[in-house]
Amino acid sequence: AQSVTQPDIHITVSEGASLELRCNYSYGATPYLFWYVQSPGQGLQLLLKYFSGDTLVQGIKGFEAEFKRSQSSFNLRKPSVHWSDAAEYFCVFAGGTSYGKLTFGQGTILTVHP
Amino acid sequence: NAGVTQTPKFQVLKTGQSMTLQCAQDMNHEYMSWYRQDPGMGLRLIHYSVGAGITDQGEVPNGYNVSRSTTEDFPLRLLSAAPSQTSVYFCASSYRTDSNEQFFGPGTRLTVL
Repeated sequence: AQSVTQPDIHITVSEGASLELRCNYSYGATPYLFWYVQSPGQGLQLLLKYFSGDTLVQGIKGFEAEFKRSQSSFNLRKPSVHWSDAAEYFCVFAGGTSYGKLTFGQGTILTVHP
Repeated sequence: NAGVTQTPKFQVLKTGQSMTLQCAQDMNHEYMSWYRQDPGMGLRLIHYSVGAGITDQGEVPNGYNVSRSTTEDFPLRLLSAAPSQTSVYFCASSYRTDSNEQFFGPGTRLTVL
């Protein structure tokens, strides 16, 4: 069965520090992977997506993610975090014949200290 | 384009009441879906539709009905609300492939007393 796991429920970083949010997936073929962000009380915004090709994907707001097939991972990174990055981040999976049905990770809440 | 719109934004129901959450999109997307969001569980798929007249169940369909009479609209019906249906509900739409971004509505926060 396909699944996606975010091992960290809550991460706290200082403003200006680097950030890495972990994501692991379970799937027998090449997945479609996304990272979405949800600010408090808001809807979901797509940060970036991976379908094929370059394993390092650039997104909006200075985020990037690297697809590593050997580790079944798709970690999200940002070199310098801003206070406005405080939000909940979801790693999301779609694959095979799921026709766009998304499987969400549990989410990682990011707190940014000044 | 308004994108994906949802009404109402907030709703309080009593156990056993029925209601319909509305969802509309103006992007001519074939695919529409409903998710519920509960703390620590991410979003879970309730029902989805790959086109007008075609719907199917997702991961957590019990207690919910849907229909898709037009491309634009995809309402979610709660026939007899239960406290376990207290959640935030999101509607999403996309073109009918995995590789396209799903656009999410702003959500409806539902409380069932």
